Amino acid sequence: VQLQESGPGLVKPSQTLSLTCSVSGGSIDNGDYYWSWIRQPSGKGLEWIGNIYYNGSTDYNPSLGSRVSMSVDTSKNQFSLKLSSVTAADTAMYYCATLVIITKLFDYWGQGTLVTVSS
Amino acid sequence: SYELTQPPSVSVSPGQTASITCSGHKLGDKYVSWYQQRPGQSPVLLIYQDSRRPSRIPERFSGSNSGNTATLTISGTQAMDEADYYCQEWDNSFVVFGGGTKLTVL
Repeated sequence: VQLQESGPGLVKPSQTLSLTCSVSGGSIDNGDYYWSWIRQPSGKGLEWIGNIYYNGSTDYNPSLGSRVSMSVDTSKNQFSLKLSSVTAADTAMYYCATLVIITKLFDYWGQGTLVTVSS
Repeated sequence: SYELTQPPSVSVSPGQTASITCSGHKLGDKYVSWYQQRPGQSPVLLIYQDSRRPSRIPERFSGSNSGNTATLTISGTQAMDEADYYCQEWDNSFVVFGGGTKLTVL
């Protein structure tokens, strides 16, 4: 499985960050996985953003409140992230990854995409 | 919310054993995974289900988990092991990462 993040590298404060993760080498409707977003500010640790299952059910990091939403497009083999009302604190490398349900591990990661929040 | 605590840094001499801890309330009752992240790269899975190792990972990496502490052990540490290491658990639908530990091989 290969994962590739895409989306704007620059977002203005108060706007909505939108990213897409394209999945190849496997099907997004594989029931063994959750599809996840994780971010990492420069020089800091990993922060889990959320998971989405192929049927659209989601779990989000409570610290992000109602700002985060995720969706899945099985026809395109993609899943997406939206983060609203962004501030400079949302500047980070954003990774998409596969979360294996049975073993509770992230086994495939994208290369990451840097998103900067700045006017 | 659940928290995992790691030491910010650990130093080890080449050839020696490095231990990186990850602490959390009743962590021994949960499954822990460990990841290695080299500068500029995505994280790589090292250990899952506390002590299982993917086939591509060298045997010098091992893990354990009991009580409130999980431990990643690197035996015969090499210069190439210098990296950041993260523990992770997934419980009650939420994923938590430790803050990360920078391993320096002196």
